[in-house]
Amino acid sequence: NAGVTQTPKFQVLKTGQSMTLQCAQDMNHNSMYWYRQDPGMGLRLIYYSASEGTTDKGEVPNGYNVSRLNKREFSLRLESAAPSQTSVYFCASSKGLGAGEGNEQFFGPGTRLTVL
Amino acid sequence: SQQGEEDPQALSIQEGENATMNCSYKTSINNLQWYRQNSGRGLVHLILIRSNEREKHSGRLRVTLDTSKKSSSLLITASRAADTASYFCATAPWSGYSTLTFGKGTMLLVSP
Repeated sequence: NAGVTQTPKFQVLKTGQSMTLQCAQDMNHNSMYWYRQDPGMGLRLIYYSASEGTTDKGEVPNGYNVSRLNKREFSLRLESAAPSQTSVYFCASSKGLGAGEGNEQFFGPGTRLTVL
Repeated sequence: SQQGEEDPQALSIQEGENATMNCSYKTSINNLQWYRQNSGRGLVHLILIRSNEREKHSGRLRVTLDTSKKSSSLLITASRAADTASYFCATAPWSGYSTLTFGKGTMLLVSP
């Protein structure tokens, strides 16, 4: 039982390059999330998917796109990377989106992205 | 926008001491959750307290919630060096069907 996995662990991009961050969960969770974490800013939600086939914007969606490929996989794409997107990116999943007990989030190990 | 704000931003204690960190939030919540993040790792869920609960325990963790003051506290008793981590509160809004909002975290350093 791997939980939430993310690839790659580290990535360096040049401004304008594109890349896709991959995330997969094996807990049969319905909801998945992408966050970015910057020093002093805490976690900020980029996009989320309440269930397979749906995606919604979070707090900071500009410059990103997502795809919920199937129930297990949720990818985050940077079409034209900018230095402001240098951050640590976390994927998370939960049983459901609602606020009820049992919907705590499980996090992946993160991807450290540097855009030069 | 941040819903939860932790206080203090950083806390340094000796092993065996208790550590208390606080979280304040602005709008009505359904529940409040605490997460731990070890350096360079993802967040790990610690405990959830519902809006109709005042106190909850899990091992060496004790969480309180005061909805009238819109605040919560996390107490770690008899701290160990392994408790060194950042601790985040996250609030689930009263409306229920929405995402969590995380605070900026408290960095705890427990020295041997």
